[in-house]
Amino acid sequence: DQQVKQNSPSLSVQEGRISILNCDYTNSMFDYFLWYKKYPAEGPTFLISISSIKDKNEDGRFTVFLNKSAKHLSLHIVPSQPGDSAVYFCAASGGIAGKSTFGDGTTLTVKP
Amino acid sequence: SQTIHQWPATLVQPVGSPLSLECTVEGTSNPNLYWYRQAAGRGLQLLFYSVGIGQISSEVPQNLSASRPQDRQFILSSKKLLLSDSGFYLCAWSVQDHQPQHFGDGTRLSIL
Repeated sequence: DQQVKQNSPSLSVQEGRISILNCDYTNSMFDYFLWYKKYPAEGPTFLISISSIKDKNEDGRFTVFLNKSAKHLSLHIVPSQPGDSAVYFCAASGGIAGKSTFGDGTTLTVKP
Repeated sequence: SQTIHQWPATLVQPVGSPLSLECTVEGTSNPNLYWYRQAAGRGLQLLFYSVGIGQISSEVPQNLSASRPQDRQFILSSKKLLLSDSGFYLCAWSVQDHQPQHFGDGTRLSIL
């Protein structure tokens, strides 16, 4: 049973437009949500996070929205740039030792 | 600043051989430490985590084990590798719960 799901394996957008990556979760105990960005042959790097007490967090071009009733979060990138092309992982944590459960990732391609 | 070192970057091992992957963190004390495996096209599966020296929790029963002999050292081991142990192994650390995890660059393990 996958507790964190990213239903879109891939997304392609034009440079300058908005990228919206989606993530759904099933475990009500999750109270902290993160997005990571990963390039090939490298470890993921932290991008942005949101606590369950908030519904929006913004950092420059990146905004994460959390809808707790729907158990859904999304990452918006505006404007998208070719350097944003990477795999984006959604993760959720709660409970012991900050263990995170990861989705399978969405590959974002930003075309010049 | 904090850094994480993971080695080797790539490793090719025959079936039945032993394994030892090492991860060290610098610039912080008493971090939470994690070992993940990423299968092709999938998300990160948490294998082990540790909240202190000698404290190891296993998430998935398997052919692998982990040890934390020093505060900032985390080792992933196996006595006899299986073909199914192939994958991309990532070590990560975090300061505490509800904080982002910081990943090493990973080890690509191929079992022949």
